[in-house]
Amino acid sequence: DIQMTQSPSSLSASVGDRVTITCRASQGISNYLAWFQQKPGKAPKSLIYAASSLQSGVPSKFSGSGSGTDFTLTISSLQPEDFATYYCQQYNSFPHTFGGGTKVEIK
Amino acid sequence: EVQLVESGGGLVKPGGSLRLSCAASGFTFSNAWMRWVRQAPGKGLEWVGHIKSKTDGGTTDYAAPVKGRFTISRDDSKNTLYLQMNSLKTEDTAVYYCTTGGYGHWGQGTLVTVSS
Repeated sequence: DIQMTQSPSSLSASVGDRVTITCRASQGISNYLAWFQQKPGKAPKSLIYAASSLQSGVPSKFSGSGSGTDFTLTISSLQPEDFATYYCQQYNSFPHTFGGGTKVEIK
Repeated sequence: EVQLVESGGGLVKPGGSLRLSCAASGFTFSNAWMRWVRQAPGKGLEWVGHIKSKTDGGTTDYAAPVKGRFTISRDDSKNTLYLQMNSLKTEDTAVYYCTTGGYGHWGQGTLVTVSS
């Protein structure tokens, strides 16, 4: 199975900050990488697919980059509604494994 | 608008069985690959398995922890996805989500608690 390692596991940031979350795959996955946002008690929401393509309706403050084994999710200017847990997921091969999550908290 | 509505969760004893359903609307269900993802309390997301569309063979694939115990099926006439869970273990306790093939749409989830 492909292991997905996210860092950091949590971070504290202020409104307006630029935030970057990284995700590393244990082997190359091309660009078969997705990012999800999850708020407490809610289902995950798809933000990005194919490493850098924004899902319809997702604001452009979210961006993704990377290919192969190293990927990043960037939030350009953190807003109160962005405080949540973020997960990466590879869908290059089965099982489609998720990273452990990054909890973004208010500083 | 795409909607996925899970049902069938509840409390079951270890070794017991449960069948979850996911009612789909707002898209052509019969053409869609569908997947199940679960989340244990306070933990991360775990892929459970998927089923292809019948035109793509209708085959299934499962994560190792559930293989041989869980079965995914679909009824395209009812636009419904199923997850039959047998020989349940305490570690199967989780919220179970159904998702579309590209993970773009998720249901609200249904909680399965396995406890004596």
